[in-house]
Amino acid sequence: EVQLVQSGAEVKKPGESLKISCQGSGYTFAAYYIAWVRQMPGKGLEWMGMIYPADSELKYSPSFQGQVTLSVDKSVNTAYLQWSSLRASDTAVYYCARVASGSYWPMNWGQGTLVTVSS
Amino acid sequence: NFMLTQPHSVSESPGKTVTISCTGSSGSIAGNYVHWSQQRPGSAPLTVIYDNDDRPSGVPDRFSGSIDRSSNSASLTISGLRAEDEADYYCQSSENGNWVFGGGTKLTVL
Repeated sequence: EVQLVQSGAEVKKPGESLKISCQGSGYTFAAYYIAWVRQMPGKGLEWMGMIYPADSELKYSPSFQGQVTLSVDKSVNTAYLQWSSLRASDTAVYYCARVASGSYWPMNWGQGTLVTVSS
Repeated sequence: NFMLTQPHSVSESPGKTVTISCTGSSGSIAGNYVHWSQQRPGSAPLTVIYDNDDRPSGVPDRFSGSIDRSSNSASLTISGLRAEDEADYYCQSSENGNWVFGGGTKLTVL
């Protein structure tokens, strides 16, 4: 069974750094992009970017380029999303998804990680 | 920038059929595959249609997708509506591997 398991909820203060994770299992982790999607409270889905674990090829949404960093550790089948300096506006649920090659459809989704940034 | 536009909300009665549209802003929506995800309240998204009209394993055949090239739009149709279909539905496509989401449509099953 394919699973994407994300790290738990986080509460941070503005200016702090954070790294959340998404661990894949049940498939060849390196062979599929992992995408990250933001959902702000009461809002829709926003694509942040994606990474190809085999070679760490990156695609960032222009809206998130320079704001976050995507990375992977193939040895533990895990993708990461990190911030160096959080803002209150980063408060959201973040989802990872396994992405099919070719048409880039989201084959599986993680359960989401709630990040709350508040002073 | 390529954009996808969906109606904000639709509603229909149990047992009926509902169609949700997704219109591309420019070019041809048919030039890139369209996928649809369902998000129930408090849950992660779930893909119900991929590559315009294919269903992932486990998704009921009450869900179907289509493309209308003449109107540059895609549609998600749900037949035999059930209370459990009440959710937000998002269309999504890719331009050069970059994802684009529609704004989402809230489906209410009356």
